[in-house]
Amino acid sequence: GAVVSQHPSWVICKSGTSVKIECRSLDFQATTMFWYRQFPKQSLMLMATSNEGSKATYEQGVEKDKFLINHASLTLSTLTVTSAHPEDSSFYICSARDLIGTGQDQPQHFGDGTRLSIL
Amino acid sequence: AQSVAQPEDQVNVAEGNPLTVKCTYSVSGNPYLFWYVQYPNRGLQFLLKYITGDNLVKGSYGFEAEFNKSQTSFHLKKPSALVSDSALYFCALSGGYNKLIFGAGTRLAVHP
Repeated sequence: GAVVSQHPSWVICKSGTSVKIECRSLDFQATTMFWYRQFPKQSLMLMATSNEGSKATYEQGVEKDKFLINHASLTLSTLTVTSAHPEDSSFYICSARDLIGTGQDQPQHFGDGTRLSIL
Repeated sequence: AQSVAQPEDQVNVAEGNPLTVKCTYSVSGNPYLFWYVQYPNRGLQFLLKYITGDNLVKGSYGFEAEFNKSQTSFHLKKPSALVSDSALYFCALSGGYNKLIFGAGTRLAVHP
């Protein structure tokens, strides 16, 4: 149980294009999903908290217009990297917490990540 | 301020030997602590958590962790390491707004 599916796994695209990454909770509902960015050999950096039916909460220093987040249902959040440039190349990971257990003692369930390469 | 520290960038262990991956934390109040493992090009997999109760927590794949309140530590352990345990391990603390605060990660290398 508690599977989070992230799609696509790999993306290679030209500079200036926009890329959408999907994060789905397959067997549970999640009012809150999280988007992280991970650089090589580094820890995860929280980019934003995605809230179902409302605006995402972005961490300091993360450009809202650059990284668009939509959480239209209890099982799907999307991250769109707009007008991507080579410096946006990174490993992006989403996570979700089961709606049933919304306390701080519940683990987050992670997707397998999306490796984004901008040429 | 809430924080998590993993003092070792890498831990090297021979297969069959016990392993320990260290984690210390700083938080006001009771901590909710987690260990995750990450394999190459994959997301994080949940291993175990400490909420309250017994200081020795057992988790997946034979891993366990020892919570020590006086030393503010939550070290990950396994009695006998496998080569397949080689991966990146993250200690995390549950912070405000349901966010996770991660340590920098420790790369575990288990040698045959």
